[in-house]
Amino acid sequence: EAGVAQSPRYKIIEKRQSVAFWCNPISGHATLYWYQQILGQGPKLLIQFQNNGVVDDSQLPKDRFSAERLKGVDSTLKIQPAKLEDSAVYLCASSLASGRPNTGELFFGEGSRLTVL
Amino acid sequence: AQKVTQAQTEISVVEKEDVTLDCVYETRDTTYYLFWYKQPPSGELVFLIRRNSFDEQNEISGRYSWNFQKSTSSFNFTITASQVVDSAVYFCAQGTNAGKSTFGDGTTLTVKP
Repeated sequence: EAGVAQSPRYKIIEKRQSVAFWCNPISGHATLYWYQQILGQGPKLLIQFQNNGVVDDSQLPKDRFSAERLKGVDSTLKIQPAKLEDSAVYLCASSLASGRPNTGELFFGEGSRLTVL
Repeated sequence: AQKVTQAQTEISVVEKEDVTLDCVYETRDTTYYLFWYKQPPSGELVFLIRRNSFDEQNEISGRYSWNFQKSTSSFNFTITASQVVDSAVYFCAQGTNAGKSTFGDGTTLTVKP
């Protein structure tokens, strides 16, 4: 079974530029997450999708970050314009579970490392 | 709001030693879920275990064991007879019924030969 795929693995941009990350979850997984992991810290949830609907985006900085999940499968996360403090690894995860309770473990991709200069 | 605290930032042991990683959580939910994940140097987080808040049974899986104590809001992880391959960052997480997981900041374990 293929795992969670993410691209690009690495991206270097200058502040105020834009960047987009792509994620393809495990086939059949209804729930998809984007997490931000700053060096030395644990993953912090940015947005949670169930199928193609948003479940939780309370911690997404909506003035610069946006995310979508078209057709309930692939997802993209965009940052525009980027700030220095956005330098982090952006992790995509998926979970088989849906509905309530949604208690499934998360399957993570390898992450996309962003450096903002 | 949920909070997970892993007070040990780094631990270093010699191979074959036992090591315990501490995790303390805060939540107002009556039903919740606790997880441990491993992040090896390659970077990909890997699920290790999930416990439900209503099941305080401890669990053993090979060299790994987990101690869940609701009275102290702790979910500690012990590796017996550690090996070099156990070197990684370990994250404790607490999940809600809606599937939202809050992670601690991790404990970096180094096992020296």
